[in-house]
Amino acid sequence: GQNIDQPTEMTATEGAIVQINCTYQTSGFNGLFWYQQHAGEAPTFLSYNVLDGLEEKGRFSSFLSRSKGYSYLLLKELQMKDSASYLCAVRLSGGSYIPTFGRGTSLIVHP
Amino acid sequence: DADVTQTPRNRITKTGKRIMLECSQTKGHDRMYWYRQDPGLGLRLIYYSFDVKDINKGEISDGYSVSRQAQAKFSLSLESAIPNQTALYFCATSDDRSTDTQYFGPGTRLTVL
Repeated sequence: GQNIDQPTEMTATEGAIVQINCTYQTSGFNGLFWYQQHAGEAPTFLSYNVLDGLEEKGRFSSFLSRSKGYSYLLLKELQMKDSASYLCAVRLSGGSYIPTFGRGTSLIVHP
Repeated sequence: DADVTQTPRNRITKTGKRIMLECSQTKGHDRMYWYRQDPGLGLRLIYYSFDVKDINKGEISDGYSVSRQAQAKFSLSLESAIPNQTALYFCATSDDRSTDTQYFGPGTRLTVL
């Protein structure tokens, strides 16, 4: 199976750091995406991890541990505009390679 | 101009009506997808197409059909709309020569009364 689990909602304070976790149970893992989605808008690509370790892009970083079936998205120096849903999506090798999306984590940033 | 466009952006219709949602892209990608998004359920794949002659069912294809008219166009039809098809619908494209990252259109909010 490819159960993908993320917390439903998280809250954080402007300027702080927040970590959004994603766990997955799947065989044939072939990559993990993180997307950001503001309310009523399209998801936009943030990161892609296929190897273990940390990928850093400005204020956002994404980590992957394939052996643990675990990823996190780290957001630093939070801004109000970071209030959004964050979607974890897992891609399988073989077949179509189309990623399966988790239900998303709604992040609320307070002043 | 947006790379992936969807029309209409909003639609209210009645049970039993036939509805077509259209998607166009200027990214030159071969792969196109249709998803629906419901509160608390995330994005679920309806249909996908890897090229003009290729159409495949996704996780929730019942009640939907698609047409890939050209590389740049992929339309989704609801032959006889029902209220539980009320949702936000997204079209997406991807380029299999890279990480196959998906790029989404702005969405169509469909309400079936």
